[in-house]
Amino acid sequence: QSALTQPASVSGSPGQSITISCTGTSSDVGGYNYVSWYQQHPGKAPKLMIYDVSNRPSGVSNRFSGSKSGNTASLTISGLQAEDESDYYCSSYRDSSTPWVFGGGTKLTVL
Amino acid sequence: EVQLVESGGGLVQPGGSLRLSCVASGFTFSNYNMHWVRQAPGKGLDWVSYINSRSSTIYYADSVKGRFTISRDNAQNSLFLQMNSLRAEDTAVYYCARRGDIGWYAFDIWGQGTMVTVSS
Repeated sequence: QSALTQPASVSGSPGQSITISCTGTSSDVGGYNYVSWYQQHPGKAPKLMIYDVSNRPSGVSNRFSGSKSGNTASLTISGLQAEDESDYYCSSYRDSSTPWVFGGGTKLTVL
Repeated sequence: EVQLVESGGGLVQPGGSLRLSCVASGFTFSNYNMHWVRQAPGKGLDWVSYINSRSSTIYYADSVKGRFTISRDNAQNSLFLQMNSLRAEDTAVYYCARRGDIGWYAFDIWGQGTMVTVSS
């Protein structure tokens, strides 16, 4: 069982918006603004999409945005495109002897 | 081009050992903290270990503590993971990943991964 909880799957039609949640505790997601999000296509390495809750690395589309409320972080993808179909993982830093933790991942299907 | 290239994976029997390597290029390796992250077949990402730039701070996941050892050689731009007492549940693709350039608690550059299979 992953330390951060994500829905197993979400879906949306092209052009729509979807949101993926990532729920932790006050010791990780709620306690630090160090949530990051990764996109992983089958057979490929993960790609950083969002860092520090809501910041986009250079080159990442502004259709991707992140936010946090309490112990839950969210990734929103607007204007869905076929190429967004992928697995998405959240990660958080936490005050622990094992300082990094991932969510279980969410499979996004573009209908 | 900023790049990480892993090697050293393969098939090993339970109880055996393997040493993974990750060679960095395109950036000043000695300035960056590094991680190992793994992914079992069909499963999610699983953080394994962290080492800071000077090797003075190291962390491990509970599942590998006492069996795996992370190290680095800044002169050779290389990161290593020595894996001993391997178990079937260690079967995974192992990725090395760089600490974020701006978001220090993220993983901004990933290698292509190297597959480790533990089976008799």
